Order: sequence, then structure tokens, then C-alpha cells
Amino acid sequence: QKEVEQNSGPLSVPEGAIASLNCTYSDRGSQSFFWYRQYSGKSPELIMFIYSNGDKEDGRFTAQLNKASQYVSLLIRDSQPSDSATYLCAADTGGFKTIFGAGTRLFVKA
Amino acid sequence: DAGVTQSPTHLIKTRGQHVTLRCSPISGHKSVSWYQQVLGQGPQFIFQYYEKEERGRGNFPDRFSARQFPNYSSELNVNALLLGDSALYLCASSWGGWTEAFFGQGTRLTVV
Repeated sequence: QKEVEQNSGPLSVPEGAIASLNCTYSDRGSQSFFWYRQYSGKSPELIMFIYSNGDKEDGRFTAQLNKASQYVSLLIRDSQPSDSATYLCAADTGGFKTIFGAGTRLFVKA
Repeated sequence: DAGVTQSPTHLIKTRGQHVTLRCSPISGHKSVSWYQQVLGQGPQFIFQYYEKEERGRGNFPDRFSARQFPNYSSELNVNALLLGDSALYLCASSWGGWTEAFFGQGTRLTVV
């Protein structure tokens, strides 16, 4: 069964620090990877997507992909209390099916 | 531009009943996917439709069905509701396949 694994957390970081969120996936055929942020009681919001090995930066967010290790990560620089949420990693496994991890809860302490 | 809209936002149903959930994608998006999310878990894939055809199906029983209309809106139908069907049902739209998919606000279904 194709899976996406995330540490459920909670991950607690002080305000202004770098938060590092990690994700592994089992299907080597996966080509596209996505990070979503979900606040309690709300729907997921797309933060970033990455298709190629390496880093992709967008403001305070950096996504990293290593297909050889089947590993995806999200770095959040200068973390703010408003970044406190659950972060969902998702992999497009092909076959028109996208698999989500269970999410990592992040707390940013003021 | 309007985002993905889902209706209703909340509803309560009794075991054994039928429910229909609706989704309107972002203008120009041709793909709609449906997900079920229970508390504390990530979204679980139910269906994906593209250009009115089913392109993907998750591991859900045949009680779950869906369709996409010519205007690319979509309906998710669930028959013979069980208590375990209580969840947040999410619709996501994208231009095609799964590229930069955006979620609606969800429908919170409670089965009693």
C-alpha cells in the first residue's frame, strides 16, 4: 500500500526559530509533492509544491525533495505564532491518486 | 475569483439515510477530487474526476459514488450512512490531474 509518513508531533519551536517538518513516501513512482497547512476546523491550504530534486524557496518557506531517499521536507524560517497549525505532506502517486500523510502539528511559542 | 465552494457546510443525518454533497470548482479547473478527513488524520482519497470521467478511486465501499457535470461541478453521494461516515468531506479542484489543487471549506457530516 502506498503511504506517506509524517511525525505527528507536536513540534514546538520558539518564535523566530526555524521549524523543520519531514515526510517520507513509499511509492518511488511518485512525481509531485505538496505541503498543505491546516488550521483547526479549517480546510487544507496549499503552501508549496515541488517536482524536482533539490530546494524550492517561497518567502519564509523552503521545500526540499530527495527522490533517492524518498524524502520531502518543509522548512519555515522566522516562525511566527500564526504558523501554528497542522502541516500535511501529500504525494501524487500517479494513477490520478494523491496520498496524504496524517500531518505534523506545529506549535510556535511567542 | 471565487474559490472552491462546497455545500452544505454542515449537516446531520441518521444512520441508513442517503446524503449528497456538492462542489463547485474554481473557474477554469476541470478536475475535482473528493476526500474524507476524520479528526486527527490526514485526508483520505475517495474519487478524482477529470473532464467528467472518473480517473481515480480510493478504498471506499460502493456506498460512495460521485459524478461530475458538464460545468465541472461535482456531487458526492453516500448511501446507507454509518456512524463511521461522520467526517469532514473535502473537495479539491485543479486545472488537470493534481497540479496545484485547492480545497473548498469542506462539509462537516455528522451521522447519528
